[in-house]
Amino acid sequence: AQKVTQAQTEISVVEKEDVTLDCVYETRDTTYYLFWYKQPPSGELVFLIRRNSFDEQNEISGRYSWNFQKSTSSFNFTITASQVVDSAVYFCALSGPQDSNYQLIWGAGTKLIIKP
Amino acid sequence: EAQVTQNPRYLITVTGKKLTVTCSQNMNHEYMSWYRQDPGLGLRQIYYSMNVEVTDKGDVPEGYKVSRKEKRNFPLILESPSPNQTSLYFCASTTRAYNEQFFGPGTRLTVL
Repeated sequence: AQKVTQAQTEISVVEKEDVTLDCVYETRDTTYYLFWYKQPPSGELVFLIRRNSFDEQNEISGRYSWNFQKSTSSFNFTITASQVVDSAVYFCALSGPQDSNYQLIWGAGTKLIIKP
Repeated sequence: EAQVTQNPRYLITVTGKKLTVTCSQNMNHEYMSWYRQDPGLGLRQIYYSMNVEVTDKGDVPEGYKVSRKEKRNFPLILESPSPNQTSLYFCASTTRAYNEQFFGPGTRLTVL
């Protein structure tokens, strides 16, 4: 069965600190896709990144970076020099192969609080 | 503007009174889905649709119905709402199951 675990329920840091959000997944599929979404206090869900299982290159986008490691089934998300506007709930999600049904498995989310 | 719309945004109702939450997308997406979000549980899929007249159960379908008669619309129906269906509901659409999903703004439902 597929599963996504975000063990950190809540993280609180002071602005400008670096912070890493953990995501561990379980799947038997050899092809799969991993996602990160952000949910700011306003409530909408914002797509951040998608990574397929064949691409283990780390991704960097400004202050955001993602570390995908198949060996440990992890897809961690790091924010460098955090800002108050980064305060949100962050979700990691997993979907199956291209020919699978349309099911996206979500982690429980990590609430990130950035204090000024 | 490409978007997913949901109505209503907020709803307070009573046990047993049938209700429908509408969802519409203007991006010609094949895939649409309904989720509920509860504290500590993340998002859980209720139903999904891979195209017109094709729907299937997600993880938590009990107490819900859906229909997909047109590509753009995917309403969520609660025939007899109960308090345990009090939640935040999101509709989403995408071109393929493995692509970025576009979410509606959410519907906060309270069942008394």
